[in-house]
Amino acid sequence: EVQLVESGGGLVQPGGSLRLSCAASGFTFSTYAMSWVRQAPGKGLEWVSAISGSGGSTYYADSVKGRFTISRDNSKNTLYLQMNSLRAEDTAVYYCARHAEGAVAGIYYYYMDVWGKGTSVTVSS
Amino acid sequence: DIQMTQSPSSLSASVGDRVTITCRASQSISSYLNWYQQKPGKAPKLLIYAASSLQSGVLSRFRGSGFGTDFTLTISSLQPEDFATYYCQQSYSSWTFGHGTKVEIK
Repeated sequence: EVQLVESGGGLVQPGGSLRLSCAASGFTFSTYAMSWVRQAPGKGLEWVSAISGSGGSTYYADSVKGRFTISRDNSKNTLYLQMNSLRAEDTAVYYCARHAEGAVAGIYYYYMDVWGKGTSVTVSS
Repeated sequence: DIQMTQSPSSLSASVGDRVTITCRASQSISSYLNWYQQKPGKAPKLLIYAASSLQSGVLSRFRGSGFGTDFTLTISSLQPEDFATYYCQQSYSSWTFGHGTKVEIK
């Protein structure tokens, strides 16, 4: 069964750090790009960061650039998100999601087809 | 950055109703548009990718259409399990989600 399981969330003070993990199983992890997506309480979905299958390319939303670092260990089938200089507005449920691509009329389109259940991060004093 | 605008933000409907949700991109995104369903306390679930392609396992009462900047998600006959929040997402340039449309029971 294809599965993603997040961990590492919790309560942290403003300015603090936290590292989230996402353990993947049931598929060849290294062949898929991955993302972190977050959802603040009562709000919509916000893409946070993405990483290529090899880990050689990384991408960030402007809201977290310079504070968050995405990485992966393909030998451990695990995705990470290192979060530094945390702010109250970073409070959210953080989901990891697998990127997939589908061909339609010879053109490849991209989407997120597998999601974890999320881990909750609260930034508060 | 590409902005995604969904409408309405919420709607009330009855079982059996036909429901339409729209999503507009701030610039042309071709068919790089996906739709997700999210129920309270759960992760999002992919319904439609490439504007109109049904994800494997998703029932055919969900239909997506559109191209360029204007897109639509239609639920042909609303079922009790369809009451949820629906999000569009562009994958043309990075990733951006719409703000969501909450479908509630009338």
